[in-house]
Amino acid sequence: ETGVTQTPRHLVMGMTNKKSLKCEQHLGHNAMYWYKQSAKKPLELMFVYNFKEQTENNSVPSRFSPECPNSSHLFLHLHTLQPEDSALYLCASSQAAGTGGYEQYFGPGTRLTVT
Amino acid sequence: GQNIDQPTEMTATEGAIVQINCTYQTSGFNGLFWYQQHAGEAPTFLSYNVLDGLEEKGRFSSLISRSNGYCYLLLKELQMKDSASYLCAVEDSNYQLIWGAGTKLIIKP
Repeated sequence: ETGVTQTPRHLVMGMTNKKSLKCEQHLGHNAMYWYKQSAKKPLELMFVYNFKEQTENNSVPSRFSPECPNSSHLFLHLHTLQPEDSALYLCASSQAAGTGGYEQYFGPGTRLTVT
Repeated sequence: GQNIDQPTEMTATEGAIVQINCTYQTSGFNGLFWYQQHAGEAPTFLSYNVLDGLEEKGRFSSLISRSNGYCYLLLKELQMKDSASYLCAVEDSNYQLIWGAGTKLIIKP
């Protein structure tokens, strides 16, 4: 399989549940990203990992917890979410972060609905 | 704060030309990205450029005017498959991408 894959593609969870989103990139990249995409809003950068080190945490609530065990895999652990967290969660990778000009390759996203 | 403005929606006719404008207020400028996102799909990379002026890539061209804080994406010979959202993103002085909300382009026959 090539590119960036994400599982699951769709997730419905209650506010008391715990779930995890998984992302895998097959491009040999060194940086991975989590974004939140809501309708008619700009992409919101949540977390950045560069060479497995977290370099960015854009004031994301602690109910979202990232994990990057290696440069090919990225997880987003979810617990006690709120209905306003319902959105499309996109994973992306690039050759590196914190330096210019590298395009990001996106996965298909996980459509999350919190009930 | 940092901000990217682009029109929410545009409509154009198949075979025509459309220009999608993007204005930015960012702390520095290290480059401009355009991404295309079809409904229900992931964004895909279209172009990156950093110098002022017009850069052409097939039917798509990207212009930067840094003195005006203004950019645009020009699409020529529009095809129905060009119906998508187009996301403008500027790399700021820390090489962080600042994203616009996207322009939904509707192509009519």
